[in-house]
Amino acid sequence: EVQLVESGGGLIQPGGSLRLSCAASGFTVSSNYMSWVRQAPGKGLEWVSVIYSGGSTYYADSVKGRFTISRDNSKNTLYLQMNSLRAEDTAVYYCAGLWGTSDYYFDYWGQGTLVTVSS
Amino acid sequence: SYVLTQPPSVSVAPGKTARITCGGNNIGSKSVHWYQQKPGQAPVLVIYYDSDRPSGIPERFSGSNSGNTATLTISRVEAGDEADYYCQVWDSSSDRGVFGGGTKLTVL
Repeated sequence: EVQLVESGGGLIQPGGSLRLSCAASGFTVSSNYMSWVRQAPGKGLEWVSVIYSGGSTYYADSVKGRFTISRDNSKNTLYLQMNSLRAEDTAVYYCAGLWGTSDYYFDYWGQGTLVTVSS
Repeated sequence: SYVLTQPPSVSVAPGKTARITCGGNNIGSKSVHWYQQKPGQAPVLVIYYDSDRPSGIPERFSGSNSGNTATLTISRVEAGDEADYYCQVWDSSSDRGVFGGGTKLTVL
């Protein structure tokens, strides 16, 4: 059974940094395409970032230059390093595994971790 | 960037058919995926590649995609179908995911 478990969320001041983790079981992070998707309170889903199995990474314009997606193959864990956080980054952050051939969809989701950016 | 447009809300009586649309420029040339999200829960894939259903998703859920509109159809709607529904495509030209704004389905 595939399980994705996020952690690392919490309350952080504007301008601060936070690293989210997504531990996978029954699923090999390095062999799959992995993404972060976020959802602000009461709002819709917003794609944040993707890391392909080959290591290429891409970001939404709203986080480019501030967030970094990475993975640790030995720990089978996905990360999202978030710097220069803003109030508008407040959201539940989900990690998700992508599937498909070029027209990818999100097949597996974690339960999410809440990030609150506030002074 | 590619934009997907969904109606904010759809209401339907139990046992009737709900149709949730997702509009996008020539969306028929893309593959559209649909997710169901209930309050406090992670999204769940209900339709992929326009009309395929993952295992465990009832046959009452179906999808279609043509021209500038993709549609998620839920037949014989039940109270348990009340949720937010999101359409999604992958923009291969820019390597990014795109979600519609979401539609709240209310079962009357």
